[in-house]
Amino acid sequence: LAKTTQPISMDSYEGQEVNITCSHNNIATNDYITWYQQFPSQGPRFIIQGYKTKVTNEVASLFIPADRKSSTLSLPRVSLSDTAVYYCLVGDRGDKLVFGAGTILRVKS
Amino acid sequence: KAGVTQTPRYLIKTRGQQVTLSCSPISGHRSVSWYQQTPGQGLQFLFEYFSETQRNKGNFPGRFSGRQFSNSRSEMNVSTLELGDSALYLCAIRDSPGANVLTFGAGSRLTVL
Repeated sequence: LAKTTQPISMDSYEGQEVNITCSHNNIATNDYITWYQQFPSQGPRFIIQGYKTKVTNEVASLFIPADRKSSTLSLPRVSLSDTAVYYCLVGDRGDKLVFGAGTILRVKS
Repeated sequence: KAGVTQTPRYLIKTRGQQVTLSCSPISGHRSVSWYQQTPGQGLQFLFEYFSETQRNKGNFPGRFSGRQFSNSRSEMNVSTLELGDSALYLCAIRDSPGANVLTFGAGSRLTVL
C-alpha cells in the first residue's frame, strides 16, 4: 500500500480557496487517489476520487500531476463548516483502505 | 444512497468485560469494514468481511474479532477489555464491489472504565 504524507494542519479564512497536497511517491499503477472529510465524532465522508489529471464535483476539485506522485485537493470558497480533518488515501480497488493522520483544516471568520 | 446503521451508539464497559458491536448495511452490501479511532492512533483498520469471509485484517490482537452474516450484517467483538480499547468504532461499506469508496456509519463510542 502506498504511504501518504499530508500537512498536519492548515488554517484559512472564510471565502478563501484551500489547497491540501498529499504526497504518495510509491503509488502503484492501479492505485486510485481518494479524499475523505471527517467531522468530530462522525465517520469519514467521501469527497472525491481520481486516477489522473483533474476531477471536479460539486464539492471539490482534485488535481493529479502526470507522475501521480502527489495530489491536491482544492476546496473553493471555504466556510466555517468546512473545518474538519481531511484524509488522502491511495489504493487499488478492493485493497484494504488505510487512513493516515490526515490534515486538520481550521476555517476562521 | 445506501447507508450503515451501527448499534449501540454509546456504551460503557469495565476492564475485563467483553463487548459486541453491530453494523447493518441498509442495502445489503456484501463488504463490511471495521475501524477503530482513538485520539492517539487515529483511524486504524481492524478487518474487512466480504460475503461472510474475512478478506483483510489489520494489526490488532486476537481479542478483536468479527464476523459477517448471510444478510450482510456484521458484528465485532472485543474480549477482555482494556482501558486502551476506549474508542470510536466505525463500520463502513464499499459503495460498489471492488471500489475503494467507503460509506461510514455514525460509529459506536465505547468507554472502558
